Amino acid sequence: AQSVTQPDIHITVSEGASLELRCNYSYGATPYLFWYVQSPGQGLQLLLKYFSGDTLVQGIKGFEAEFKRSQSSFNLRKPSVHWSDAAEYFCASSSGTYKYIFGTGTRLKVLA
Amino acid sequence: DADVTQTPRNRITKTGKRIMLECSQTKGHDRMYWYRQDPGLGLRLIYYSFDVKDINKGEISDGYSVSRQAQAKFSLSLESAIPNQTALYFCATSDSRQGAAEAFFGQGTRLTVV
Repeated sequence: AQSVTQPDIHITVSEGASLELRCNYSYGATPYLFWYVQSPGQGLQLLLKYFSGDTLVQGIKGFEAEFKRSQSSFNLRKPSVHWSDAAEYFCASSSGTYKYIFGTGTRLKVLA
Repeated sequence: DADVTQTPRNRITKTGKRIMLECSQTKGHDRMYWYRQDPGLGLRLIYYSFDVKDINKGEISDGYSVSRQAQAKFSLSLESAIPNQTALYFCATSDSRQGAAEAFFGQGTRLTVV
């Protein structure tokens, strides 16, 4: 069965530091992969997506993610975190049935 | 105006009451979804609909029902609300015409069952 794992429940980084949020997926074929961000009281906003081609994808707000088939991973990165990046981040996958399966989320705290 | 609109945004209801959460979209998408978000559990799929006549149960459909009144409208009902249905509910849409389509989300409905 399709599943998504985000091993880190909480992550704290200092403003200006680099960030990596981990995501592992379980699916027989290559799934479609997504990262969403949820700010307090808001819905989910798409940061980036991967479905084929270049394994390094660029998204909005300076985020990028790298698909690694050998590790079944799709980790989200940002070189320099801003205080406004504090939010909850969700990794999701979708198979050909277009059911979106979400990880449990990683809450990011940014220290000034 | 938001592309995916959920009403109400907040609701407090009593145990045993019937409640309906509504979702409408102006994106012209054919696929619609209802998710529930609980702390530490992420988003879990309640029901999904690929068109007006195609409705499917998700992983946690017990205690919920849905109605797809039109392509643009997808409502979620709790026939007899219970406290453990207290959660944040999201409606989402996607477009089957787009190859690797992402889901677009509404702002959410915070439901409290007392």
